[in-house]
Amino acid sequence: AQSVSQHNHHVILSEAASLELGCNYSYGGTVNLFWYVQYPGQHLQLLLKYFSGDPLVKGIKGFEAEFIKSKFSFNLRKPSVQWSDTAEYFCAVNARNYGSSNTGKLIFGQGTTLQVKP
Amino acid sequence: KAGVTQTPRYLIKTRGQQVTLSCSPISGHRSVSWYQQTPGQGLQFLFEYFSETQRNKGNFPGRFSGRQFSNSRSEMNVSTLELGDSALYLCASSAQVSGYYNEQFFGPGTRLTVL
Repeated sequence: AQSVSQHNHHVILSEAASLELGCNYSYGGTVNLFWYVQYPGQHLQLLLKYFSGDPLVKGIKGFEAEFIKSKFSFNLRKPSVQWSDTAEYFCAVNARNYGSSNTGKLIFGQGTTLQVKP
Repeated sequence: KAGVTQTPRYLIKTRGQQVTLSCSPISGHRSVSWYQQTPGQGLQFLFEYFSETQRNKGNFPGRFSGRQFSNSRSEMNVSTLELGDSALYLCASSAQVSGYYNEQFFGPGTRLTVL
């Protein structure tokens, strides 16, 4: 069965610190990868996505992620966090089987709560 | 374009009752997926509907069901509610061009409390 593991459950950083959130998945086939963010009181929003091509993808608000196929990883990074980045971050995987029933199914990690101190 | 809308936003029910939640996808989106979010289990996939057909189903008991209408609006139903069904239920829509995956856009959710 597919699964997604996020290594850090709760991260506390000071403003301007660098951020890296780990995400590993278990699935032997081709995947689409996502990072979603949930700000306090708001709904899930897409930060960035990887479907194919350049394994280094850039998203909104200065976030980027690198897909390392050999490590089954898709870690999220940001060089300098701001107080407004305080939120919960979710890594998600979709197994890419064209024509199959998996297309609308996202498997989420448990989430990482990021607290940025001003 | 208007985003994904879900109604109602909050619900309080008692054990044994049933509940119906509604989701209106983004205009033009044909795929609707439902998720349950709880502090203990996180975000778990319930099912997905595409063109009025259930295309995929997660590991939830048969008390959880859904349907999709010709205008792509979707409803999910939970019968014989249990305390453990208390959760935030999220709906997501996607354009789902055939043979290719498009990202899912999430609604604000319906907070269900079972007493």
